[in-house]
Amino acid sequence: GAVVSQHPSWVICKSGTSVKIECRSLDFQATTMFWYRQFPKQSLMLMATSNEGSKATYEQGVEKDKFLINHASLTLSTLTVTSAHPEDSSFYICSAPFLLNTGELFFGEGSRLTVL
Amino acid sequence: AQKVTQAQTEISVVEKEDVTLDCVYETRDTTYYLFWYKQPPSGELVFLIRRNSFDEQNEISGRYSWNFQKSTSSFNFTITASQVVDSAVYFCALIAGGFKTIFGAGTRLFVKA
Repeated sequence: GAVVSQHPSWVICKSGTSVKIECRSLDFQATTMFWYRQFPKQSLMLMATSNEGSKATYEQGVEKDKFLINHASLTLSTLTVTSAHPEDSSFYICSAPFLLNTGELFFGEGSRLTVL
Repeated sequence: AQKVTQAQTEISVVEKEDVTLDCVYETRDTTYYLFWYKQPPSGELVFLIRRNSFDEQNEISGRYSWNFQKSTSSFNFTITASQVVDSAVYFCALIAGGFKTIFGAGTRLFVKA
């Protein structure tokens, strides 16, 4: 069945380094994917919409240069947290619609980032 | 504007009690989708149900049931005979006018043995 897979599940890095998180749609193509961030004990907040073959659309307040999104193929979107700082520590989740206009949506397992 | 409100931040019940999680949504779109997700401590979102705006039928799945009422813009979730394994954060969510999912703040459910 349709699945969205994220990698890595968790990552610990030093402050100032960059971290890349991958989101793959398995067995289906996704021209659009979504990236969410969830701080502890808070809800999921949409960061950006990743569009295959074009620039990502960022939500208000999300730094484009900080969170680089690349949707290079119909099955892969990547989120790179550049020059990560402790305040970027969070749970990042991606999602992809299986079929447009049906509301059928799949979420990845999430990636927990800890910046020391 | 789209919005999802889960007024209950935390609920604590004793095992075997019934519990209802409230969800109120706002949208001007006539076509929309409502969801409930369970998020256990591992963090992964577990899909529970999807309901489109044209289907107001209530649904029951085992101990879970959902009450969708367009008149009050509510999509409440009831767990019957709760169990310790039901302890998690539950999110109500809305997709309308596109494919962005708008999440409620979540309700943290504690089920004590």
